[in-house]
Amino acid sequence: DAMVIQNPRYQVTQFGKPVTLSCSQTLNHNVMYWYQQKSSQAPKLLFHYYDKDFNNEADTPDNFQSRRPNTSFCFLDIRSPGLGDAAMYLCATSRDYPGNTDTQYFGPGTRLTVL
Amino acid sequence: GQQVMQIPQYQHVQEGEDFTTYCNSSTTLSNIQWYKQRPGGHPVFLIQLVKSGEVKKQKRLTFQFGEAKKNSSLHITATQTTDVGTYFCAGNLIQGAQKLVFGQGTRLTINP
Repeated sequence: DAMVIQNPRYQVTQFGKPVTLSCSQTLNHNVMYWYQQKSSQAPKLLFHYYDKDFNNEADTPDNFQSRRPNTSFCFLDIRSPGLGDAAMYLCATSRDYPGNTDTQYFGPGTRLTVL
Repeated sequence: GQQVMQIPQYQHVQEGEDFTTYCNSSTTLSNIQWYKQRPGGHPVFLIQLVKSGEVKKQKRLTFQFGEAKKNSSLHITATQTTDVGTYFCAGNLIQGAQKLVFGQGTRLTINP
């Protein structure tokens, strides 16, 4: 049974056209992460939520926003996608922080193409 | 910022050969985790090491955490085609750290 679900799996958008990616989880985990992964690179953390507390990475562009309306769902909004935003976007969850020895469960990802 | 360095970036082996990837941090780690990402897939948790000098095995995979908790390795004995993928280490600088710091990953390809 899927535990971290991402929709859609593939998303095509036009340059500058807002797009929203969604993530849901059935694990009831406290923490939800959004990563950006480009080809042959490690996942790059954009931001995360611990419950309703939002934590933005310092180098995440303002173009990227997130919402977590409830425990199960988290959204990634890209307000004005540029060509450089084409990537795989991974959602991950964990019960607690990895520094407390908790591990992350990744969703299958959404591959974003920007035309 | 904290960095976790991983080498090699790429490794190509013949099926049946062994494979090792290494992870190094300039600072002591609270714990280290290993993930595998198959081509076109997403990272999947393999194992976590917490104690100094810890060694864990999963079938043909052996994971080690250095005595100083600054380095770690993953060794695969007698590789199989199912081992193809990118292996990432991810460290935590301090207890309670909010995020994983990923190494660059080692991409393993295998000639059958």
